[in-house]
Amino acid sequence: DGGITQSPKYLFRKEGQNVTLSCEQNLNHDAMYWYRQDPGQGLRLIYYSQIVNDFQKGDIAEGYSVSREKKESFPLTVTSAQKNPTAFYLCASSIGPGTGNGYTFGSGTRLTVV
Amino acid sequence: GENVEQHPSTLSVQEGDSAVIKCTYSDSASNYFPWYKQELGKRPQLIIDIRSNVGEKKDQRIAVTLNKTAKHFSLHITETQPEDSAVYFCAARGYGGSQGNLIFGKGTKLSVKP
Repeated sequence: DGGITQSPKYLFRKEGQNVTLSCEQNLNHDAMYWYRQDPGQGLRLIYYSQIVNDFQKGDIAEGYSVSREKKESFPLTVTSAQKNPTAFYLCASSIGPGTGNGYTFGSGTRLTVV
Repeated sequence: GENVEQHPSTLSVQEGDSAVIKCTYSDSASNYFPWYKQELGKRPQLIIDIRSNVGEKKDQRIAVTLNKTAKHFSLHITETQPEDSAVYFCAARGYGGSQGNLIFGKGTKLSVKP
């Protein structure tokens, strides 16, 4: 079953704690993306990677970090520096940048600070 | 870089009526325009897309039109049904500073009243 998988579905973070959200795809897509979505809001780009071992900051990268060591995987770490991390996080992938194809989204991780 | 404006932010229609959502973009080099539907708590899913060499595309009750001169594109849903209730996002593939990434509008919450 090809697709993009995010885990966990729900995640709770204590104050001052780093947490990592997983995103795995078996679509053989080159590009991967992380978005943050707050209630009633649109999609805000956190980080993106157009190729393995390379990634770029999006519009709201502060307090987040990523790695892209494998084509299939693009984990997102929410660090303690992110003061308001409660949100719905969506991972997406596409064949490649500049290609005329849309994104495939994962089912999301809902992160809550407790 | 590319900028996408989407209107209206909320739209309420009676079942059976038509709904129209409009987006404008700024980068005249943009050539790909997808629309996504996001049901509550779910992932955005591609419902229709259009490329810059086409003026209109239709898929059953959904159609998208593109006016390259005016740099705007619209989603048309006819004979709306309660299951059409969702948030709809338009997007444009931007170049230059956007490096071929999709730039999303802020979304339209469509409510279809039975």
